[in-house]
Amino acid sequence: DAGVIQSPRHEVTEMGQEVTLRCKPISGHNSLFWYRQTMMRGLELLIYFNNNVPIDDSGMPEDRFSAKMPNASFSTLKIQPSEPRDSAVYFCASSPRLRGVTAEAFFGQGTRLTVV
Amino acid sequence: QKEVEQDPGPLSVPEGAIVSLNCTYSNSAFQYFMWYRQYSRKGPELLMYTYSSGNKEDGRFTAQVDKSSKYISLFIRDSQPSDSATYLCAMSVAVSSGSARQLTFGSGTQLTVLP
Repeated sequence: DAGVIQSPRHEVTEMGQEVTLRCKPISGHNSLFWYRQTMMRGLELLIYFNNNVPIDDSGMPEDRFSAKMPNASFSTLKIQPSEPRDSAVYFCASSPRLRGVTAEAFFGQGTRLTVV
Repeated sequence: QKEVEQDPGPLSVPEGAIVSLNCTYSNSAFQYFMWYRQYSRKGPELLMYTYSSGNKEDGRFTAQVDKSSKYISLFIRDSQPSDSATYLCAMSVAVSSGSARQLTFGSGTQLTVLP
C-alpha cells in the first residue's frame, strides 16, 4: 500500500486566494483526520470523519475552513479566503476501524502551505 | 493550560546515551498513550502504544505510563544518530468500538543524537 497520499506537497499562494488540499487515505481505513502543525501550536486536530461522515469539526479555526469527504478514498480541506496566519503544514491521517484497543493513525507526508 | 505538556527541547545527546522523553497531562480520562516519531519534513509515525498504566518494551524503546501522576515517558537505550527526530506524545480517551479515536498531541521534543 502506498500509504496516505497528500497533494500538493507544497503550496504557495497569495492572501485572499482559495486553497484546496487533497488526501487519499489508505484503502480500507474508515476514519480520516485533518491536522495542522505549526511551531507555536504543535499538531492540532481540525476535523475527523468516520465512514465519510464528519464527526467533529470543533477544531476548524474559522468558517474560512471547510472539509469534505465525498467517498471513502478522497477528502479535501479548503481554505477560502486564505490568510498569512494559515501558513502551516497540514497533515491528513487515516486509521482502520477501531477493534479492541488498537487503532493506529497513519499520517501522510503533509502539505506545506505558505500564504504570502 | 494545555491538556498535554511536553518539553520542546532541543535535546542533544552523544551516540549510545540513554534518552528520556516525558509528557504530563491533565485529563484523567486519557487511557491510551502513544509515542510518535517525526523525521524532518515527514509525517509522524507511530513508535509505541500503551494502554493504561505500566511499561512496554520494544527493542531499544521503553514506554512507561504512570496514571496516578499523569506522567508518561519514553526511554531510548543505546541511542543512534538515526534516532534524531522529533518525538510527540499522544493520548486519547476510551471510545466505543467502531468509533474514531481522537488524539491529543504534545508539542514534541526535538532530539539530536550526535555521532
